[in-house]
Amino acid sequence: AQTVTQSQPEMSVQEAETVTLSCTYDTSESDYYLFWYKQPPSRQMILVIRQEAYKQQNATENRFSVNFQKAAKSFSLKISDSQLGDAAMYFCAYRSAMIQGAQKLVFGQGTRLTINP
Amino acid sequence: NAGVTQTPKFQVLKTGQSMTLQCAQDMNHNSMYWYRQDPGMGLRLIYYSASEGTTDKGEVPNGYNVSRLNKREFSLRLESAAPSQTSVYFCASSPGPVSYEQYFGPGTRLTVT
Repeated sequence: AQTVTQSQPEMSVQEAETVTLSCTYDTSESDYYLFWYKQPPSRQMILVIRQEAYKQQNATENRFSVNFQKAAKSFSLKISDSQLGDAAMYFCAYRSAMIQGAQKLVFGQGTRLTINP
Repeated sequence: NAGVTQTPKFQVLKTGQSMTLQCAQDMNHNSMYWYRQDPGMGLRLIYYSASEGTTDKGEVPNGYNVSRLNKREFSLRLESAAPSQTSVYFCASSPGPVSYEQYFGPGTRLTVT
């Protein structure tokens, strides 16, 4: 079974600085997808960024980028120019590319990010 | 376009009571999902419905039943609530079972005393 581990329960960063959230995962599959979700105090789950395992290029969405290291099974999220609105719980998630397992998102425990003004 | 809606937003039950959590989506999605989120943990899949007329167990199905009423609606029923079912419940939908993104509802906070 796949597992996702986020080893940083809490992180804080000064506004406008850069912060990196860590995520490692364990799988025997070669084809899969990885995601970062943001959960603000409203509880709404918002997709931040996704990475397809077959792509070597790291995904980027505006101020958010990932460092995907397939061999090391590592998938970190970098937030540049941090803004107060980035304060939230961040979850790393894994999904199989196989149809049989494609329905299941496996989540990490989450990292609470605080932005200091 | 409301996306995924859930009712109720909050609920308190006594041990042994039953209730149904309702979920509806207006995006014409084929697949729908129910997750629970406990403190200090990520979301865990309870049940899913890959398409109208089908339902399957996820990671933590014990104590729950589901009904895919039609393409729009997917309900989660607790027949005899237990304190261990105190959690925040999320419904989600996606265009298909292999679609990239799942779209989440706002969640229901359930407390069982």
